[in-house]
Amino acid sequence: QVQLMESGGGLVKPGGSLRLSCAASGFTFSDYYMSWIRRAPGKGLEWVSYISGSGSTMYYADSVKGRFTISRDNAKNSLYLQMNSLRAEDTAVYYCSRAPGYYYNYYTDVWGKGTTVTVSS
Amino acid sequence: SVLTQPPSVSAAPGQKVTISCSGSSSNIGNSYVSWYQQLPGTAPKLLIYENNKRPSGIPDRFSGSKSGTSASLGITGLQTGDEADYYCGTWDSSLSAGVFGGGTKLTVL
Repeated sequence: QVQLMESGGGLVKPGGSLRLSCAASGFTFSDYYMSWIRRAPGKGLEWVSYISGSGSTMYYADSVKGRFTISRDNAKNSLYLQMNSLRAEDTAVYYCSRAPGYYYNYYTDVWGKGTTVTVSS
Repeated sequence: SVLTQPPSVSAAPGQKVTISCSGSSSNIGNSYVSWYQQLPGTAPKLLIYENNKRPSGIPDRFSGSKSGTSASLGITGLQTGDEADYYCGTWDSSLSAGVFGGGTKLTVL
């Protein structure tokens, strides 16, 4: 069945780096745009980033632009999020999700269980 | 949040509730709206896409609509298992980014 599984979360100091991974299975990975979405403690969902099926087009939320990089390896059916210069406000559960629609028809139909990132000294 | 939702709504079991989502011409006004349910301790789940379509497996108790720069999610025949956080989402062409509402906590009294 269609599945997404995130990994790579953990505790990191402010200013540090972390790389999240998402393993996809059960569908043709390269056919889909993919997204990272997060939920900070006590807050709502926040859209983080979005990448095209080929990996040639990426979009970022202003809150992470210049610090986070989304990428994918279609040969490995994997999505990544490289997070640098981490701040306390990046503390959240990070979800990997599949996005069947494009731009004005953006939505996500499959979500992973999430991986927790905690930024604290 | 770019999209505005009421922080909370409540209703009795069996009743109907509507959750609103207000945006602007750069997001809801020119894009489709989706809705998500997040039960406590679980990942979000897609309830509605393209304003009013339900994915396979979502009961017809859940419905969506959109008019201008606002959208709404309707839930009929409320059950205690519907207690969750609900989010609207769309694409914002000015930001070139996805956006979500702040979320609405549904309590079934």
